[in-house]
Amino acid sequence: AQKVTQAQTEISVVEKEDVTLDCVYETRDTTYYLFWYKQPPSGELVFLIRRNSFDEQNEISGRYSWNFQKSTSSFNFTITASQVVDSAVYFCALRSFYSTPLVFGKGTRLSVIA
Amino acid sequence: GAGVSQSPSNKVTEKGKDVELRCDPISGHTALYWYRQSLGQGLEFLIYFQGNSAPDKSGLPSDRFSAERTGGSVSTLTIQRTQQEDSAVYLCASSLGTGLNSNQPQHFGDGTRLSIL
Repeated sequence: AQKVTQAQTEISVVEKEDVTLDCVYETRDTTYYLFWYKQPPSGELVFLIRRNSFDEQNEISGRYSWNFQKSTSSFNFTITASQVVDSAVYFCALRSFYSTPLVFGKGTRLSVIA
Repeated sequence: GAGVSQSPSNKVTEKGKDVELRCDPISGHTALYWYRQSLGQGLEFLIYFQGNSAPDKSGLPSDRFSAERTGGSVSTLTIQRTQQEDSAVYLCASSLGTGLNSNQPQHFGDGTRLSIL
């Protein structure tokens, strides 16, 4: 069975603080894909990043960075110098090589206060 | 725009009525997915279509739920004899499906907020 756990239900930070959103996953597959999506108040799920299980290289995109560690089954997401526009619910998701649908975590609601 | 389009945006109906939700995927995307987002349950997979293959219906919660995809494009999710627990946001997504092992990201529509009175 596959499972994604986002232990942080809600996080509140002051603008310009750094924040890390945790994601831990479970899968028996050796090949799988991990995703992060952002859901702003408008409701649409916005794709942020995909990571293949065989590629553990961390990635940075502007103020966003992702730390993938297979040894701990974690795929954490860090926002540097947070901004009010970063306020949203962030979802981590897993997709098996052998299965099509995404398995989502419960999401972390991030509030950035000015 | 060129994104996934869903209609209606909101639907309010009485318990026991049937509802139809529509999804128009991104042009060229062969894979189409339906998910449901409700409080306490998070995002749940419902059904998946890939090209002309038989759909994966493994996530449908009951036989009151069905979906079809005509001409490999537009999809309709139908809920018969609606119950209050069906109240949720129904999200549609599409992707460049190149077979079962595609790692392409799924792109989501804005969803249909369904409220059962």
